[in-house]
Amino acid sequence: DVVMTQTPPSLSVAIGQSVSISCKSSQSLVYSDGKTYLHWLLQSPGQSPKLLIYQVSNLGSGVPDRFSGTGSQKDFTLKISRVEAEDLGVYYCVQATHFRTFGGGTKLELK
Amino acid sequence: EVQLVESGGGLVQPGRSLKLSCAASGFTFSDYYMAWVRQAPTKGLEWVASISYDGGSTYYRDSVKGRFTISRDNAKSSLYLQMDSLRSEDTATYYCTTDALFAYWGQGTLVTVSS
Repeated sequence: DVVMTQTPPSLSVAIGQSVSISCKSSQSLVYSDGKTYLHWLLQSPGQSPKLLIYQVSNLGSGVPDRFSGTGSQKDFTLKISRVEAEDLGVYYCVQATHFRTFGGGTKLELK
Repeated sequence: EVQLVESGGGLVQPGRSLKLSCAASGFTFSDYYMAWVRQAPTKGLEWVASISYDGGSTYYRDSVKGRFTISRDNAKSSLYLQMDSLRSEDTATYYCTTDALFAYWGQGTLVTVSS
């Protein structure tokens, strides 16, 4: 089974600061069609998860361009530039190349 | 507007059964693989099961294989999860979501397995 390891488990940030979250896979996430099915979700407090970025670097609908995703093969990063209050919550990476596996989550809190 | 509305959760004793439903609207349901994802209290997200466009293919995590059955009715734009032989570790909020991209999510329905 594919294991998704997210770091750090939590982050304390000030509004306006930039942060990065890492997600590492135990296997390459490149599918047979050449695409990489690695996505990022945000679960705000008391809410359902929301898609932020799909296939490594594509912004979801309505997602501000303060969010960006990079990476390849087994190593991926979500960057948030100029954190705003609405960005607080738990971030998850999820792979859909080898069935589906979620990362453990990264909790973003206010400093 | 896309909507996924789950129902059917509740308190159930260990070993008993429960069936969850998810009513979809605002998109062409039959064009999407669908999935159930759960979240135990204070824990992270966990994929449970997925189903293909026409229901012909289904996929399960190992811990629910043989106990849970995912199904769909495209005429009713509805997704289902039949949960049998429930265990305490199945206690979670169950979300209905569009599979693979996880673009759309319901609000979740809480299942509590306890005597």
